[in-house]
Amino acid sequence: LAKTTQPISMDSYEGQEVNITCSHNNIATNDYITWYQQFPSQGPRFIIQGYKTKVTNEVASLFIPADRKSSTLSLPRVSLSDTAVYYCLVGSLHILTGGGNKLTFGTGTQLKVEL
Amino acid sequence: DSGVTQTPKHLITATGQRVTLRCSPRSGDLSVYWYQQSLDQGLQFLIQYYNGEERAKGNILERFSAQQFPDLHSELNLSSLELGDSALYFCASSSGLAGGPRYNEQFFGPGTRLTVL
Repeated sequence: LAKTTQPISMDSYEGQEVNITCSHNNIATNDYITWYQQFPSQGPRFIIQGYKTKVTNEVASLFIPADRKSSTLSLPRVSLSDTAVYYCLVGSLHILTGGGNKLTFGTGTQLKVEL
Repeated sequence: DSGVTQTPKHLITATGQRVTLRCSPRSGDLSVYWYQQSLDQGLQFLIQYYNGEERAKGNILERFSAQQFPDLHSELNLSSLELGDSALYFCASSSGLAGGPRYNEQFFGPGTRLTVL
């Protein structure tokens, strides 16, 4: 079971780029890295997923080094509305492997964006 | 709106009681997951169902049970409730299919806030 470690909190200002790193030393071959965003009293929302190298979508980038023991979520030009908790999740939902029991969310990173 | 619905939104009950939380997954999704989130805690995976069958178990107490019905909705039953069971309970769904840039995406419902007094 892959264990993830993230910083507890980070502070930033509007317009800056924010990078949140997650360590997952015992990631398995079939594991993907997925990031979620959660606002208070709401369910988490998918941001991005990756397996290796770099992935970019309309809201974020995900950098994964060759050894895959860590990953970095990059949020370009954050705004006040990006203040939330960000979770790194390592595992796979592939139904044939019954992925659910490997899906342990860590304690997350509280990002606070100020003016 | 994720497409996942959960009822009720809030539930207040007493210790020793039994409650049932309900979840309707996103249209087309066959996998349902249940999570517990206590104050200052991360999301704890409880149990997963796929097309009516239990697929994976996490840190689910013996006092808790779940099932997924033929119409794919799911229910989480919590019995002999204790003060420590007070938490947000989330249901999530996914297609369970491989492939694509959002392959591991789970769609979370708004949650049910359970308060045990």
